Amino acid sequence: DTGVSQNPRHKITKRGQNVTFRCDPISEHNRLYWYRQTLGQGPEFLTYFQNEAQLEKSRLLSDRFSAERPKGSFSTLEIQRTEQGDSAMYLCASSLDREGEKLFFGSGTQLSVL
Amino acid sequence: DQQVKQNSPSLSVQEGRISILNCDYTNSMFDYFLWYKKYPAEGPTFLISISSIKDKNEDGRFTVFLNKSAKHLSLHIVPSQPGDSAVYFCAYNGGATNKLIFGTGTLLAVQP
Repeated sequence: DTGVSQNPRHKITKRGQNVTFRCDPISEHNRLYWYRQTLGQGPEFLTYFQNEAQLEKSRLLSDRFSAERPKGSFSTLEIQRTEQGDSAMYLCASSLDREGEKLFFGSGTQLSVL
Repeated sequence: DQQVKQNSPSLSVQEGRISILNCDYTNSMFDYFLWYKKYPAEGPTFLISISSIKDKNEDGRFTVFLNKSAKHLSLHIVPSQPGDSAVYFCAYNGGATNKLIFGTGTLLAVQP
């Protein structure tokens, strides 16, 4: 499978715990994006990497959130001290390094904070 | 900032008929709009896009129309099939980073 891969698919955690999600983009894609989607809304942009450099962060990304892409390949998104409002689908996408390219999305990680 | 609005939360269409999904935007400056389809528990899948220099783009059963004076675009699906039942998102490409700004989506139900 050469698509975008996300793990885990589902995560249930208790409020206050830390969680980490992983994204493996399509191998030749230099650009990687994280989005969050809640019920009844479209995906909301969180952050963007070009290779290993994190070039843009949304103000939705509070200081409890951190994303890394250490070698310009896979990426991780960590949420510290989770809150119930963090419950959402977290989507990763990747694209080629050209303007106007479409994004390819993974199947997402569904986070439930109890 | 560009805003993308999909004012119809849902649409029901008979199989074989045309489905028309609408999207409005606020800022006249843009490069591309894209349409994505999303099934439950899956990520969005790209359908079709249109650049600012075109009025229409067609790919099989899917056609996107752009009306720049009205700041409006629409996706036409002809003929509609039950497998087209999904949530459809309109998205604005934010320029050099390819960051997408999504609308809230329209749930399409195609009745057999």
